[in-house]
Amino acid sequence: AQKITQTQPGMFVQEKEAVTLDCTYDTSDPSYGLFWYKQPSSGEMIFLIYQGSYDQQNATEGRYSLNFQKARKSANLVISASQLGDSAMYFCAMREVGRGFQKLVFGTGTRLLVSP
Amino acid sequence: GAVVSQHPSRVICKSGTSVKIECRSLDFQATTMFWYRQFPKQSLMLMATSNEGSKATYEQGVEKDKFLINHASLTLSTLTVTSAHPEDSSFYICSARQGGADTQYFGPGTRLTVL
Repeated sequence: AQKITQTQPGMFVQEKEAVTLDCTYDTSDPSYGLFWYKQPSSGEMIFLIYQGSYDQQNATEGRYSLNFQKARKSANLVISASQLGDSAMYFCAMREVGRGFQKLVFGTGTRLLVSP
Repeated sequence: GAVVSQHPSRVICKSGTSVKIECRSLDFQATTMFWYRQFPKQSLMLMATSNEGSKATYEQGVEKDKFLINHASLTLSTLTVTSAHPEDSSFYICSARQGGADTQYFGPGTRLTVL
């Protein structure tokens, strides 16, 4: 079964609007971490935001916020006031422990296009 | 802070040759580095995890003799694709993590094309 599910292959939003990118996860480990990364066309992976499973509050970083609903196992990324430079692929990832090492498992990504 | 560099950014080689890709953490000591592979329009797939001074741990299905990983220092890891074939053409991207920190910081990636 997929551990990280991103059901939106593509999303469109107009500049200055807010957009929510969906992410659900599956784990039986009580301690885990959830990440969002942005990958522009240049290919680099840019860290956006992190949410720990025990964090009481939803994470926020500037225009990025993470809507963490633990019971639903969802960790949606909210981008407020979209900018043209936000057009990119967005990957949700979960930290899990495998063979003694922590590693990231990525979702399939969502391509966001911001229009003027 | 938390800058990771990768070199080269792009490489084209002939089939049968070996290619070395370097991953460096520029402003922190990376006790653990990760190597990923990404095919066009797909997600990142972890190839291996390496800790400084010890052998890399490879994911299932990744040939350790083909993809040699060396993590010689706290700031440098190398991936060598040996006897490269066209099917090895891909985007290779490394990441680094400091100590017990949660976040991995990624390099800019290397696009390998094998002719």
